[in-house]
Amino acid sequence: ELKVEQNPLFLSMQEGKNYTIYCNYSTTSDRLYWYRQDPGKSLESLFVLLSNGAVKQEGRLMASLDTKARLSTLHITAAVHDLSATYFCALRLGGSRLTFGEGTQLTVNP
Amino acid sequence: KAGVTQTPRYLIKTRGQQVTLSCSPISGHRSVSWYQQTPGQGLQFLFEYFSETQRNKGNFPGRFSGRQFSNSRSEMNVSTLELGDSALYLCASSLETNSPLHFGNGTRLTVT
Repeated sequence: ELKVEQNPLFLSMQEGKNYTIYCNYSTTSDRLYWYRQDPGKSLESLFVLLSNGAVKQEGRLMASLDTKARLSTLHITAAVHDLSATYFCALRLGGSRLTFGEGTQLTVNP
Repeated sequence: KAGVTQTPRYLIKTRGQQVTLSCSPISGHRSVSWYQQTPGQGLQFLFEYFSETQRNKGNFPGRFSGRQFSNSRSEMNVSTLELGDSALYLCASSLETNSPLHFGNGTRLTVT
């Protein structure tokens, strides 16, 4: 059974600081996703990582994938309040079946 | 281009009743999948439909069922509702079965 574990589950940080969210998974997959969810809202796709060593950046967020270590990271640079949300990583096993991590609830304080 | 549309947005039902949720995918998308989100279990895959055929099914009891119509619109049905079925139900569509998923805003079901 595929397991996807994120840490930390809760992250409170100050504006301007850097931090990394980790996503460990237990079996190989052909792609890894990062999503953002604001309270009461749906999932917004942030990144799709397809291969070992893949790195993608959008604004203050950068995602990377190490398939050998079965690890993906979401790095936040110089956090701002607008980044407060819950972040999920998810692995695709096949078709449209995604297995999600528990989510990391990020709060950025002024 | 319109996104994934789910109706209704909110539902309140009583234990033992049944409920039907609807999902209209992005135009041209043929794959529709459903997920349940609860505080305790997180996001869990329910099932996937492609061209009116169920392709994948998650680990949920038979009370949860779905279908897809020829226009790719999908419905999911939950019978004999239990308190634990209270959740946000998310629908996602994709062009093909391995294409990126686009999620709708969800239907929040409360069972009392």
